[in-house]
Amino acid sequence: EVQLVESGGGLVQPGGSLRLSCAASGLTFSSYWMSWVRQAPGKGLEWVANIKKDGSEKNYVDSVKGRFIISRDNAKNSLYLQMSSLRVEDTAVYFCHGDYDAPNRYFDYWGQGTLVTVSS
Amino acid sequence: QSVLTQPHSASGTPGQRVTISCSGSSSNIGSNSVFWYQQLPGTAPKLLICRNNQRPSGVPDRFSGSKSGTSASLAISGLRSEDEADYYCVVWDDSLSGRVFGGGTKLTVL
Repeated sequence: EVQLVESGGGLVQPGGSLRLSCAASGLTFSSYWMSWVRQAPGKGLEWVANIKKDGSEKNYVDSVKGRFIISRDNAKNSLYLQMSSLRVEDTAVYFCHGDYDAPNRYFDYWGQGTLVTVSS
Repeated sequence: QSVLTQPHSASGTPGQRVTISCSGSSSNIGSNSVFWYQQLPGTAPKLLICRNNQRPSGVPDRFSGSKSGTSASLAISGLRSEDEADYYCVVWDDSLSGRVFGGGTKLTVL
């Protein structure tokens, strides 16, 4: 069974930092593009960042560029999101997402999410 | 304001067919594959349609996707009460170098 388990969420003050982790199991982690997607309370989904299978390419939504860093450790089957200079508007549930576009099948997995609350 | 435009809401009665639209531009829908997700309250999104019109295994054939030019649609036939959820289109945007989600459509089964 494939599992993506996020951790590291919590309450942080504006301007603070937080590091999210996503532990993957049951899949060939190094074959997957990995992403972070967030959802503010009562709002829609927002793509935050993604990272290529080998970590050689990273992309970010404009609102987090220069503040968030996505990384992965394929040896540990883990994905990370280092968040700094946090703002109130970064408050959201952060989902870990992995996808693999295989020739005959598309693999798509999500974690259950971890809540980040930015408030004074 | 998302670069992908979806209706805020849609509704139908059991057994009906409903469609949800997703309008974009040449830099996103016009040049890349569209995906559709279903999200039930308090849960992670579930993939319904990949590569514009393909259903992952386990997704009922009541769900279908299509794309034409810079617009895409999700159709749900034989509507059921359990289809009541939020639906999102998502696609890669070449200009933004990132993925973009539509604003989401809340489907109500009357």
